Formats: sequence, C-alpha cells, structure tokens
Amino acid sequence: DGGITQSPKYLFRKEGQNVTLSCEQNLNHDAMYWYRQDPGQGLRLIYYSQIVNDFQKGDIAEGYSVSREKKESFPLTVTSAQKNPTAFYLCASSPWGMGAHNEQFFGPGTRLTVL
Amino acid sequence: KQEVTQIPAALSVPEGENLVLNCSFTDSAIYNLQWFRQDPGKGLTSLLLIQSSQREQTSGRLNASLDKSSGRSTLYIAASQPGDSATYLCAAASLQKAAGNKLTFGGGTRVLVKP
Repeated sequence: DGGITQSPKYLFRKEGQNVTLSCEQNLNHDAMYWYRQDPGQGLRLIYYSQIVNDFQKGDIAEGYSVSREKKESFPLTVTSAQKNPTAFYLCASSPWGMGAHNEQFFGPGTRLTVL
Repeated sequence: KQEVTQIPAALSVPEGENLVLNCSFTDSAIYNLQWFRQDPGKGLTSLLLIQSSQREQTSGRLNASLDKSSGRSTLYIAASQPGDSATYLCAAASLQKAAGNKLTFGGGTRVLVKP
C-alpha cells in the first residue's frame, strides 16, 4: 500500500527531554512537511523539505529540528527548548514543482503529551 | 500574509439536508485550494483540490467552488449522511515561489449530521 506512516501514535515526554517523531512515505514524493495542530485550531507549518539534504523553516520552527537524509524519511525532533510541545503532529508529502497539482497527503498523526 | 477563515466553526444538520461549508482567504495569489476531512484523533484526508484556473471541482456528492476575486471557496455536500460527520478544513497554497507549496489552513468547520 502506498502512503504515509507516522510513529508512534502516542508519545509522552517529560519536561527537559528531546523526543523524535518518525515520518515515512512510499509515494515517491520529493516534498515533505511537518505541521502542528492544537485543539480547535487549524494546522501550522513547522518545517518543510523540498529535496533530500535540504529543509526550510515554517511559521513556528522554534524548538524543533528536522533532517532529510533519505527521500522517504523526514523525522522531527521536539527539543526541550519548545515551551509548549503538547499537540497533535501531522506529517505530509506532495510532489514537488511550482505547479497547481501539488496535492498534499497526510499521515495519521502523533499525539505528543508532556507530563 | 495569507489568512484563511472558516465560518461557522460548527454546524449541525438533519440527515438528508445539503451541507454548505464556507472558506475565505485574504490573498488571491494562490496556486490551488484544498479541502480536507478530519475525523477525531485522525490525520487529514484530501477531498478535493481546485486549481487556481478552475471555478469548481466535483467528486461524487462533493462539489467545491472557487472565486479568487472575492477570496472565497465553498464546499457543497449533497444529501448529507451521519457518516459525513467530521471536521472539514480548507487550505490555500501560496503562489510565491520562495514559499514553495506551503499551505495556510483555516480553523475548520465541525459538522454533525443527525440521523
């Protein structure tokens, strides 16, 4: 099956800890994205990557880091510098290119809770 | 900066009634506009993508219209069913080259279809 997988589904973090959220896709998409969703709100972009070994900050990148060593994988690390990390994290991918058909597809999400 | 608004935030209709969901955006320079469905605790499912050159897009009982000049998109769901109960999100893709394929999301409309 083609799609996007995220793990784990639920993650608990103690204050001061770094945690890494996994995102893998087998859609052969060049671009990948990380969003954060807070209760009752829309999604906000954290980081995105257009190509392997390159990534850009989104609107709320502070306290987060990413890597893109493989086309299929785009892990997100939530560092201790992120002051309010409890949220639902969604990963997405899309074809790349400045065209009108770059539909984004989303994974099932990871719910992170700080204890 | 693009801002996307969805009003109302919540909507309740009896089964069989047609649903009309509204989305407005402030910057008409968009590549496309996507409509998504989100079930509680789940990721986003892409419903329709309307290119900036299109006026509408249809899939089954769903029809989405786009009016860039007025900064509006509308999602119509015909003959609603209880299974249509979910949150519906719209998102506008920026036309700015430097912005890549960034999506700006509205806050969503939570729909309840009563049997």
